[in-house]
Amino acid sequence: AQRVTQPEKLLSVFKGAPVELKCNYSYSGSPELFWYVQYSRQRLQLLLRHISRESIKGFTADLNKGETSFHLKKPFAQEEDSAMYYCALSGRTYKYIFGTGTRLKVLA
Amino acid sequence: DGGITQSPKYLFRKEGQNVTLSCEQNLNHDAMYWYRQDPGQGLRLIYYSQIVNDFQKGDIAEGYSVSREKKESFPLTVTSAQKNPTAFYLCASSIAGTGNNSPLHFGNGTRLTVT
Repeated sequence: AQRVTQPEKLLSVFKGAPVELKCNYSYSGSPELFWYVQYSRQRLQLLLRHISRESIKGFTADLNKGETSFHLKKPFAQEEDSAMYYCALSGRTYKYIFGTGTRLKVLA
Repeated sequence: DGGITQSPKYLFRKEGQNVTLSCEQNLNHDAMYWYRQDPGQGLRLIYYSQIVNDFQKGDIAEGYSVSREKKESFPLTVTSAQKNPTAFYLCASSIAGTGNNSPLHFGNGTRLTVT
C-alpha cells in the first residue's frame, strides 16, 4: 500500500542547530517525492521536489531508494523556518499521498 | 493573478444539512483535488479529478460528493451522511499528463463547523 510516514509530530531545535525532518515511504514503483511547508497564516506551498535536486531556503532532501526515505535537512536552522512540514508522494495516477506532518519550532 | 480560490473561509451548518464548498482555479490546471486536514492526521484525500467530467474517490470519500463540469471548478458537497464533517478542507490543483508529476497548488482552505 502507498504510505508516507513522518514519525515526529513536533521537532524543536535551537537557532543555528542542524535540522532533519524524517520521511519514509512505501510504494511499489518509482514515486515522486515532495516536501510542502505551511507557515503560520499562509497556504500550504511546495518547498522542494526530489527530481529538482535543488536547495530551497537552505533545505535539501535526497531520495534514498534503498531505505525508502526522503529526509529534509538544513545545516543551520533559522527562526523563520518554524512551520508545519509535510512529506508527500505521487505515482502514476497523480494521486498524492501526504504524511501526517511535522511541526518544526526553532527556538531563539 | 493566477491561483486557487476557496470560498467561504468559514462555514457554519446545522447537523443534517448538506453544504457545498467552492473551489475555483484560473491556472488552467487539468487536475483538482480535495483534502481534509485534521490535527494529528495530516492531509487525507477525499476526491480527485484528472479531467473535466471525470473524478475518482480518494481515501475518505464516504459522505462526500463532487462534480467537475468545468475545468476551473471542483465543488465539494459535504452530505448529512458524513459522520464527522467539522474540519478544515483544502482544495488543490496540478498540471496533469504523462511524465513527471507537477506539484500541487493549494487554496487557503475552508473551515467547516457543523453543530
